[in-house]
Amino acid sequence: AQSVTQLGSHVSVSEGALVLLRCNYSSSVPPYLFWYVQYPNQGLQLLLKYTSAATLVKGINGFEAEFKKSETSFHLTKPSAHMSDAAEYFCAVGTQGGSEKLVFGKGTKLTVNP
Amino acid sequence: DTAVSQTPKYLVTQMGNDKSIKCEQNLGHDTMYWYKQDSKKFLKIMFSYNNKELIINETVPNRFSPKSPDKAHLNLHINSLELGDSAVYFCASSHRGGGANTGELFFGEGSRLTVL
Repeated sequence: AQSVTQLGSHVSVSEGALVLLRCNYSSSVPPYLFWYVQYPNQGLQLLLKYTSAATLVKGINGFEAEFKKSETSFHLTKPSAHMSDAAEYFCAVGTQGGSEKLVFGKGTKLTVNP
Repeated sequence: DTAVSQTPKYLVTQMGNDKSIKCEQNLGHDTMYWYKQDSKKFLKIMFSYNNKELIINETVPNRFSPKSPDKAHLNLHINSLELGDSAVYFCASSHRGGGANTGELFFGEGSRLTVL
């Protein structure tokens, strides 16, 4: 069975500061990994995904994530936070080879302070 | 054009009632999903259909019945609504066939169900 753990349900940063949102996964087979963002009263939108190509993945809005197999981690970073980054962020794991199911973490709410 | 659209966006109803939520996608995807997001933002899959065929059913009470009339539509009907059914229900779609399935989901904006 697959699972995702997001460390920290709330993260608060100052505008211009580094954003680091943590995600650890558990999977018995090579995983696909995703970060989604949810703005208030909206659906989820894909930020970036890892599908066994490059371990450093760049996404939209200046976000990137690094797949570290030895640490079973897929942490999301952005060098400089912007007010518009305030949202809920979800890490998700899927299975290579045809599984239709994504398992989501419990989410991390990012607050950006002026 | 909205890629994945759900109606209604808000639904307030009494316990015991029956209600439906509709979902349509114009992305040409062959797989559609229903996810439930609870008050703590936890997102859990309920159902998945591929080309109108049910492929995932995650221990959801049988009061919940999905229906897929064609691969662009996936509706969710809920009988005898309970307080615990209050949540935001998200429809999503993805493309399964034609190469590696990367599992990228495209979500609708959600339907907020409140059961009183």
